[in-house]
Amino acid sequence: DAKTTQPPSMDCAEGRAANLPCNHSTISGNEYVYWYRQIHSQGPQYIIHGLKNNETNEMASLIITEDRKSSTLILPHATLRDTAVYYCIVRENTGNQFYFGTGTSLTVIP
Amino acid sequence: EPEVTQTPSHQVTQMGQEVILRCVPISNHLYFYWYRQILGQKVEFLVSFYNNEISEKSEIFDDQFSVERPDGSNFTLKIRSTKLEDSAMYFCASSDFGISGLQYFGPGTRLLVL
Repeated sequence: DAKTTQPPSMDCAEGRAANLPCNHSTISGNEYVYWYRQIHSQGPQYIIHGLKNNETNEMASLIITEDRKSSTLILPHATLRDTAVYYCIVRENTGNQFYFGTGTSLTVIP
Repeated sequence: EPEVTQTPSHQVTQMGQEVILRCVPISNHLYFYWYRQILGQKVEFLVSFYNNEISEKSEIFDDQFSVERPDGSNFTLKIRSTKLEDSAMYFCASSDFGISGLQYFGPGTRLLVL
């Protein structure tokens, strides 16, 4: 089962930063935090992942607290195309399945 | 950029019929997966496949389901006798099981059982 807790929905103004929180208080030392998103009914799309350190790529930034019990995905300049369901997933770096929870439905408002 | 592809994009079938959903994973990947998503519900894991055998499966993946890698490029999901409740989006994913453990998902096949 999903080991994460996310708010069910959020709004963000276009052009502003979207900050999506995730709680994973039972995360173990060898589990990574992954973020995926699903636009409408398309296949889940990888965004970013991390273990301990903050990470940044061309899509987003991931901020992980020092105790690793929570993290925040930051979309620095949200656009209308970022409207999607965002999933925070914790899992070991293995070939095992991803558990998708209900995620956060982000709506970017013009 | 390499991507996972799936065919068909839509499939309509009659209850009791067999369907085969096809996937072409990313070429150098070694792990393959099927997930499904019933309309309005969560993405659910069905099965993972590695080294020509099932490595993990969920309770959803009963005897009506089977997977196969018939050649070096395709990965298929077969449903032998479809039920109404099999109507869903089916997503294929693949992973190189490298340092990231990332899975890359295809666009999905929408299956409608009448």
